[in-house]
Parts: sequence; C-alpha cells; structure tokens
Amino acid sequence: SQTIHQWPATLVQPVGSPLSLECTVEGTSNPNLYWYRQAAGRGLQLLFYSVGIGQISSEVPQNLSASRPQDRQFILSSKKLLLSDSGFYLCAWSVPTDTQYFGPGTRLTVL
Amino acid sequence: GESVGLHLPTLSVQEGDNSIINCAYSNSASDYFIWYKQESGKGPQFIIDIRSNMDKRQGQRVTVLLNKTVKHLSLQIAATQPGDSAVYFCAENEGYSTLTFGKGTMLLVSP
Repeated sequence: SQTIHQWPATLVQPVGSPLSLECTVEGTSNPNLYWYRQAAGRGLQLLFYSVGIGQISSEVPQNLSASRPQDRQFILSSKKLLLSDSGFYLCAWSVPTDTQYFGPGTRLTVL
Repeated sequence: GESVGLHLPTLSVQEGDNSIINCAYSNSASDYFIWYKQESGKGPQFIIDIRSNMDKRQGQRVTVLLNKTVKHLSLQIAATQPGDSAVYFCAENEGYSTLTFGKGTMLLVSP
C-alpha cells in the first residue's frame, strides 16, 4: 500500500530564516506530487505540483520554491521566510487525473 | 485551490441523524469528483469519489450524489457519529493533473 510522509510535523521559525519541508511517498512509482498551503479556517491553496523528476509547476508566485530531486521526494523551500508564510503545509500524491492522497501536514509558524 | 473566508459554513446535527453536505461546482466539463474529510490538525482524508458517468455512489455509511444538470454534488452521511465531526471538502477534476477544491463545510455532531 502507498504511504506519504511529511516532516517535520511542526516548525517555528523566525522571519528571514530559511525553510525546508520534505515529503516522501512509498509504494508507488512516478506519482504526481503536490504542495498545498492552508491558512487557519481556509481552504486549500495549491502552491506547486510536479509530474516528474525536475518538473515543477508553480501556481502562486511567492517566495517559496519546490524541487523534486527523486521520483518520490518533494521538497518545499524558502530562502527567507515572511510572517505571511505561516500556515499548514500539505503534500499530496496521485496517479494522473485521479484521487489525491494527502500527507499529515506540517504546521509552520513564522514569528 | 480556492481560499475561503474565515467563517466556514457549518452544519450542526445530533448523533444518529443523517447529514447532507452540499457542494456547487463551476466547471461543466469536470468529469471526476471527490469528497474529503479533514479533522483538526490533520491532512484531508479521502472519503469517496464519483465519475461523471454516474449519478450516485455508495460507500460505508456515505453516499455521494451528482447532479450534472445543476452542477451540484452532495455527500450524505448516515447515522452521523461524533467522530464524523470535521471539515468536509469537495473537489473536481477536468482530466488535468490538478484538482479544484470547493469551500469546506464544518460538520458538528452533538452527542
């Protein structure tokens, strides 16, 4: 069966510090991978998605970036965090045009 | 994905009642629909899906109804339990790699 992992589960970072969130998927090959952000009490905002290694599509221009160094690894990064980057970050995987399955999420607080 | 206001629509029911959560979608070309459940502090969990060639699909205690004429999707939960309390999201897909998420509805179940 497929499983998706995210870490860390929670993170508190000062403004201006870098960020690296990691997502890995097990039990499937060549999945589509996604990064979402969810602000408190709000819906899901798609940030990036990837259909293959090194292929990244950005949905929202911002100070975040994503990379996919391996087939089942997806990384969300920032060089300098802003207060507005606080939120709940979710990684998801799917086979193309099918259900997306979400990870447990990372709660990021920028102070 | 869409973002919603700070106040999610809320449905309050008594334990044992049947719950109906509604979703209006905008893209008449969408051919795949999904319902997710999100508990506080966790990632969205897949509940049930339906393709556009169907108008009804049943799972364990849940039924999804699709009315393509009026672009309406509903999730029915039978014999609602306190553990069903969560935010419920619908999502639609037009055959692309990304999903469009609807505004969530908070379900509150009282014992």
